[in-house]
Amino acid sequence: DAGITQSPRHKVTETGTPVTLRCHQTENHRYMYWYRQDPGHGLRLIHYSYGVKDTDKGEVSDGYSVSRSKTEDFLLTLESATSSQTSVYFCAIRAGANTEAFFGQGTRLTVV
Amino acid sequence: QKEVEQNSGPLSVPEGAIASLNCTYSDRGSQSFFWYRQYSGKSPELIMFIYSNGDKEDGRFTAQLNKASQYVSLLIRDSQPSDSATYLCAVSPLTGGYQKVTFGIGTKLQVIP
Repeated sequence: DAGITQSPRHKVTETGTPVTLRCHQTENHRYMYWYRQDPGHGLRLIHYSYGVKDTDKGEVSDGYSVSRSKTEDFLLTLESATSSQTSVYFCAIRAGANTEAFFGQGTRLTVV
Repeated sequence: QKEVEQNSGPLSVPEGAIASLNCTYSDRGSQSFFWYRQYSGKSPELIMFIYSNGDKEDGRFTAQLNKASQYVSLLIRDSQPSDSATYLCAVSPLTGGYQKVTFGIGTKLQVIP
């Protein structure tokens, strides 16, 4: 398995609270991505990073922020969680262009 | 809005049969095509990719691409119960990097012993 660890794996939180999900890699890959997966939708990109402190928005970035202060860690923060952010969140990593993307195990987040 | 369409299924096939999974896409500029397998409660894993028109074979899996008709398919020969999973089609444009990849909703495959 590619060296990707997401934490926590499961979380229940209340509406309005901030939540941070962590993606940690041991592969020293340049690119990191955060996706959400919901029934009836394909994987949708939230934010991605192409290097330390280099991040950009994806298709569904509203209500989310990210940070990457080290190559190995990519943090996803829900600034004020809403029920619509209940989802399964996947992190992915990629070494470079024309290389395979590897996905983490996922984090199931429930906002009540 | 670039779209990738898949029938959500479930597609049920008997063990040993050929499973045929289909995907259509809207962006004529699409260049790279991926098939991911996702077991229930697990993460997606890449099983095939194809760039050129025609067929690409890897073991029991064959990816077929027809850019003129804008569809890509995945054939699984000698289907096994362990192939039961959801298969995600993903499409990438010529430029823009992996962040531009669009995923379909996936087709759930059930292989009946």
